Order: sequence, then C-alpha cells, then structure tokens
Amino acid sequence: ETGVTQTPRHLVMGMTNKKSLKCEQHLGHNAMYWYKQSAKKPLELMFVYNFKEQTENNSVPSRFSPECPNSSHLFLHLHTLQPEDSALYLCASSQDQGADEKLFFGSGTQLSVL
Amino acid sequence: GENVEQHPSTLSVQEGDSAVIKCTYSDSASNYFPWYKQELGKGPQLIIDIRSNVGEKKDQRIAVTLNKTAKHFSLHITETQPEDSAVYFCAEGSFKTIFGAGTRLFVKA
Repeated sequence: ETGVTQTPRHLVMGMTNKKSLKCEQHLGHNAMYWYKQSAKKPLELMFVYNFKEQTENNSVPSRFSPECPNSSHLFLHLHTLQPEDSALYLCASSQDQGADEKLFFGSGTQLSVL
Repeated sequence: GENVEQHPSTLSVQEGDSAVIKCTYSDSASNYFPWYKQELGKGPQLIIDIRSNVGEKKDQRIAVTLNKTAKHFSLHITETQPEDSAVYFCAEGSFKTIFGAGTRLFVKA
C-alpha cells in the first residue's frame, strides 16, 4: 500500500451523471495532485493543491471540479462528462509542491463515460 | 517550456538480459531526475532518482546515469526478471515534475 488511497477503483457513468472521485493520503504530505492517464497522454497533470490551496489548474475543462477540504483529502467532482474523458484518474501526494517532488500515487480510478 | 523525450516506447527483452531506457531533456538548469515504475492496475511508484551533482547511481539491479552536457539520462536494469515487466516513466523535477511518455517493458521468461 502506497499510503494514497483512491475510491472508487472503477466507475461507469453516463454523460448526464454527477459523480465524485475521492483520494486520501496517510503520509502527512502538504501537496496533492490529480493526473489523467490515457493512451494519448500518459501522465497529464490536471490540478495541484498545496496546503489546501489550488496552485495549478492545467487548463482543465470546468466539467471537472476539484475540492481539497484539508491536506489529507482531495476530491474530483465530475459532471456532464464526454466519452473522451474516459481514462485512469490518478491522485498523488508529495511532501511539498515544487523542486525535487517525490510523488506518491494511488492506484487510480478507471473511469468510463458512456 | 521543459520537455522530456523518452525512448523506446516499447522494449522486449529475454529474462536475464539487460534493459536500457533513455531520456533527454531541454532545460540546462534541470538538476533532478526521478524514475517511476507502473505495474498493471497500480499507480506509478518512484524507484530511483538522481541529482545533477552525480553522474551515476545504483540500487541493486537498477542504475541511472546522467550526462548533463548532452542532456541525457538513462535507466539500466540488469539481470531482468519477469516482475520487471511494467511501464517506466522518466521525469525531470527541478521545478515541477515533467514526465516522459513512458516505456512499456516486457521481460520474456
């Protein structure tokens, strides 16, 4: 176990559904990340939070809405998704954001949008 | 911006042989280079890293080399085993982590 837990492991949703992905880290880290992994872009950074504050949004469409209530928890709220949003969504944490980041990843949520 | 190129995209070796994965980067100020291994059904896991003040680092069967002049760094796996089969990502992480596209390694028993 890496110390970063993601739920659910698999999710199938229709284009009109609303769902949320959850991530929890037990490592005492201050920074948390959402990555999208697909065949086209193997590791695409979406959002970064450092000390609960969003520090990076990599031009992600508004149908993806992140939430970081505290340094241990990170959510990704999904609504009105498109089939091309089907991918593996990975959460990661690191001690701090910035230089020499050592990222600890969860196992991901495999999302299928029908 | 910073760019990391990784080759090959797929690598198949016989068990016991060596495997080499190569990456190049563009920013001469880069000084931290981690490598991640992603097994099926799991997220990437940091397996080794190197900083620019050294040219080589070893950890059992894994070694990384860095050539700052040429802006190349490589992962070497010796005596490969079937459990080494995975996707390997190089990265440059001096300011924020930039990943290569990944190499899918198959080790045939």
